[in-house]
Amino acid sequence: EAGVVQSPRYKIIEKKQPVAFWCNPISGHNTLYWYRQNLGQGPELLIRYENEEAVDDSQLPKDRFSAERLKGVDSTLKIQPAELGDSAVYLCASSFGGSSTISDTEAFFGQGTRLTVV
Amino acid sequence: QQQVKQSPQSLIVQKGGISIINCAYENTAFDYFPWYQQFPGKGPALLIAIRPDVSEKKEGRFTISFNKSAKQFSLHIMDSQPGDSATYFCAASVSGANNLFFGTGTRLTVIP
Repeated sequence: EAGVVQSPRYKIIEKKQPVAFWCNPISGHNTLYWYRQNLGQGPELLIRYENEEAVDDSQLPKDRFSAERLKGVDSTLKIQPAELGDSAVYLCASSFGGSSTISDTEAFFGQGTRLTVV
Repeated sequence: QQQVKQSPQSLIVQKGGISIINCAYENTAFDYFPWYQQFPGKGPALLIAIRPDVSEKKEGRFTISFNKSAKQFSLHIMDSQPGDSATYFCAASVSGANNLFFGTGTRLTVIP
């Protein structure tokens, strides 16, 4: 079974330029997450989708960040314009959701996109 | 504000030894406590997880000890192997994997 797929793996852009990241979750997973991981830190949630609905975007910097999950499957995270402080690894994760069993709540992470803003 | 505090920041253990990583939390609403393992260039992978209705969970060489009254939980890696060298993150959340709050990570090095 394929895991969470993210692309690109690496991206280097100049500040003020736009950038987009793509994520394809595990088939059948209704819940999709975007996390940001700064160097030497743990991931921090940016946004969570239940199917196509963004149910938690309280940590998403809405002035420059946007996300969408059309048809409740793939998702795109966009930054426009990028700032130097946005350099980080952007992780996508998915989970089955909708159950109280511990195994069904497991979040599977992709390899991430390493963004460098110069 | 760090919701989950993790220590130590780095840990060096001899092969065959026991690795112990500790985490503490404040939010008593947390009801899901996973540990993730991350290798360089990879995303975090779930290692083991526990809910607060049990005090210990063991899976192979990995054990979570949970102290609800102290709001602390720890990961024990028995018979540590060089292949265990990675960064370990504790995390906590309310209602399963939704909005996991991660610790700052522990870089474990197991020397042969």
